[in-house]
Amino acid sequence: AQSVTQPDIHITVSEGASLELRCNYSYGATPYLFWYVQSPGQGLQLLLKYFSGDTLVQGIKGFEAEFKRSQSSFNLRKPSVHWSDAAEYFCAVGSGGYNKLIFGAGTRLAVHP
Amino acid sequence: GAVVSQHPSWVICKSGTSVKIECRSLDFQATTMFWYRQFPKQSLMLMATSNEGSKATYEQGVEKDKFLINHASLTLSTLTVTSAHPEDSSFYICSARGLAGGNEQYFGPGTRLTVT
Repeated sequence: AQSVTQPDIHITVSEGASLELRCNYSYGATPYLFWYVQSPGQGLQLLLKYFSGDTLVQGIKGFEAEFKRSQSSFNLRKPSVHWSDAAEYFCAVGSGGYNKLIFGAGTRLAVHP
Repeated sequence: GAVVSQHPSWVICKSGTSVKIECRSLDFQATTMFWYRQFPKQSLMLMATSNEGSKATYEQGVEKDKFLINHASLTLSTLTVTSAHPEDSSFYICSARGLAGGNEQYFGPGTRLTVT
């Protein structure tokens, strides 16, 4: 069965520090992978997605993610975190593109000044 | 970008009553809409998928008679929680997908339902 695991429930980083949020997936075929960010009062916003091709994907707001098939991972990274990045981050796997999304439990990011 | 709204953003109802949640795509036509449920500090769980003019497809374990979904137009889908009980209290999120925008799902801000 398809599943997504985000091992870190809560992460705290200092502003300006680098960030890596972990995501592992279980999927039988080539996965469609996504990272979303959820801020209070706002809908989930797509940060980036991977369908095929280059395994290093660039997204919005300075985020990037790397697809590693051998590790079944799709970790999200940012070289320098800003206070406005504090939010909940969800990794998701989709079948048939956006047809059906299965989300991880989410990682809540706190940013210290 | 594509905008999806939900109304109301927050609702309290008494046990046994029904409540309707609206999901609207404001600047695009949504051929497909999705309804998710999110428990506190947990992930989003897909409840059902609806295509405009068709019956919704429910995920396993979701009671279709309890969670009525209507997608009568290309810009509006509704979720009605019938005979609500406290265990139905949750955060309900919709998303919409149109033919434009690379088939991406655009998410609404969610509706907090509290059943007393």
